[in-house]
Amino acid sequence: AQSVAQPEDQVNVAEGNPLTVKCTYSVSGNPYLFWYVQYPNRGLQFLLKYITGDNLVKGSYGFEAEFNKSQTSFHLKKPSALVSDSALYFCAVRDGSGGYNKLIFGAGTRLAVHP
Amino acid sequence: KAGVTQTPRYLIKTRGQQVTLSCSPISGHRSVSWYQQTPGQGLQFLFEYFSETQRNKGNFPGRFSGRQFSNSRSEMNVSTLELGDSALYLCASRQAPSTDTQYFGPGTRLTVL
Repeated sequence: AQSVAQPEDQVNVAEGNPLTVKCTYSVSGNPYLFWYVQYPNRGLQFLLKYITGDNLVKGSYGFEAEFNKSQTSFHLKKPSALVSDSALYFCAVRDGSGGYNKLIFGAGTRLAVHP
Repeated sequence: KAGVTQTPRYLIKTRGQQVTLSCSPISGHRSVSWYQQTPGQGLQFLFEYFSETQRNKGNFPGRFSGRQFSNSRSEMNVSTLELGDSALYLCASRQAPSTDTQYFGPGTRLTVL
């Protein structure tokens, strides 16, 4: 079965510092991986995805993610964190079993960026 | 282009009642999926509709049902509400089930008392 794990419940970063939110995956076949962000009282906003190609994927709001097949990881990164980046971040993998196509989400990581 | 809209945004019900939530997808998107988000279970897939047909269903009891209309709008119904049904219900749309990226609405916060 497809799954993703986000090993950190919370990540604390000082504004201006680089940030990393970790995600590891377990899939059969080629992984289709996604990052979403959720602000308070809001739905999920799509940040980026990896389907194939370059291991470094660039997304919205200055975020990028690095796909590492040997470590089965897909960590989300940003060179310089902003206080406004504080939110809940979800990693997800596509589950195409049974000929269908749904998302399996990790538990989420809360990012707190301090001024 | 307008995003996914969900109504109502907040809902309070009592145990045993039933509730209907509505979702309007992005224009041109014909696939609508529903997810339940709770602090304990996280984000869980409920079901997906495409061309007015349920294509996929998650591991939820039969009290959870849905439908899709010819204009792609979707409704989700929960009957005989239980306290554990309190959650944020998120709707996501995409052009078709084969499309990878889903776009989410703001959700409906359901509280069951």
